[in-house]
Amino acid sequence: EPEVTQTPSHQVTQMGQEVILRCVPISNHLYFYWYRQILGQKVEFLVSFYNNEISEKSEIFDDQFSVERPDGSNFTLKIRSTKLEDSAMYFCASSESRLLSGVRSSYNEQFFGPGTRLTVL
Amino acid sequence: SQKIEQNSEALNIQEGKTATLTCNYTNYSPAYLQWYRQDPGRGPVFLLLIRENEKEKRKERLKVTFDTTLKQSLFHITASQPADSATYLCALDIKSGGSYIPTFGRGTSLIVHP
Repeated sequence: EPEVTQTPSHQVTQMGQEVILRCVPISNHLYFYWYRQILGQKVEFLVSFYNNEISEKSEIFDDQFSVERPDGSNFTLKIRSTKLEDSAMYFCASSESRLLSGVRSSYNEQFFGPGTRLTVL
Repeated sequence: SQKIEQNSEALNIQEGKTATLTCNYTNYSPAYLQWYRQDPGRGPVFLLLIRENEKEKRKERLKVTFDTTLKQSLFHITASQPADSATYLCALDIKSGGSYIPTFGRGTSLIVHP
């Protein structure tokens, strides 16, 4: 069964350093997402990506964050200058399509990867 | 502000009983609502999606109801098993500015005792 993969599984970095988290979405999926989950807290949306551009982003996704699809398979999240509060699990997800209801669309079933645990020291 | 509320207290039940989890939302009328399962240290796994014009959806031992008047969804697991022990998250799109942002509740932990 196809699955979303993420590397590395655990990343330790010093505050102020840049990190790149990598994801390989399911191959026929068109929508890609990044979420984060601080330990003990809820899953929080960061950004969605479709057709090589950002579709939506949350308030968390500030100028320190960027996403890229450098080739046909990888989807990356870059944090330019990490802070202590960036320590969290980062999940990549992908979905085949979006659901449409009149003028409103919604995200369809999302397949999540296993996550990258980022620890900022 | 728009909120999703799930019972933060863990639900403890005996094997074989029906577990019922609640998701309430405020100030919004979603077109869809989704339920996911999350095991410790793992990513969420999609379980069921219900549309605003559907009252009920079933999949094997799972059943979801959606009451748009009460702004509430109930998630039922019948004949529960210890393997059903996990955190269950409800998710819907919440309007933020001009966009609809996929938003998860904090989740309710279910513990099924043998």
